[in-house]
Amino acid sequence: QSALTQPASVSGSPGQSITISCTGSSNDVGLYNYVSWYQQHPGKAPKLLIYDVTNRPSGVSDRFSGSKSGNTASLTISGLQTEDEADYYCSSFTTSSTRVFGGGTKLTVV
Amino acid sequence: QVTLRESGPALVKPTQTLTLTCTFSGFSLRGSAMCVSWIRQPPGKALEWLALIDSDDDKYYSTSLGTRLTISKDTSKNQVVLTMINMDPVDTATYYCARSGRDLFFAFDIWGQGTRVTVSA
Repeated sequence: QSALTQPASVSGSPGQSITISCTGSSNDVGLYNYVSWYQQHPGKAPKLLIYDVTNRPSGVSDRFSGSKSGNTASLTISGLQTEDEADYYCSSFTTSSTRVFGGGTKLTVV
Repeated sequence: QVTLRESGPALVKPTQTLTLTCTFSGFSLRGSAMCVSWIRQPPGKALEWLALIDSDDDKYYSTSLGTRLTISKDTSKNQVVLTMINMDPVDTATYYCARSGRDLFFAFDIWGQGTRVTVSA
């Protein structure tokens, strides 16, 4: 199972919106609506932001939103804040009932 | 409150077997639609999913590491154990356990704090 493809880095200014892509295949992202997104600050465990492509767990800001088109899922962060600076990972369920992560994207808020 | 905590050796030698334990509270792996996964992260690198066990005792493994991994559960102790054989320095990483369940069966909603494992002679 190959890792999902994410851009290595993205950047934005406070108040702006950014989008992080996550490209898989017809065996994972393209086949199932089971994509999730995680935020990880340095030295911390990941935190769930989005599950099942578009759903936010209780307590997650509505500045975070998810979508999917074909084999590519996306995470959009609106109204960027300095505390959003972190690493972001996508994950998907696969045809073999396993899970796969993306390579991660470092978000810099400048 | 749901919590998970990983425990195990901080240092293992090459070719040895690693055994990690995830002790959890606030949910059960007995008769509920829950599962626990192991996920690792080498220093400065990405997350990598390793294995999963669910409440039906079904087990799933990473295709690239599957032959080296064994996952099991002890529902009476609320523990999930991962063993990895033939450890190599490239297996140096922080190892996390994480829960998936109910409406979030395909996501990892609660994570442990992770345990760092170094493989070195």
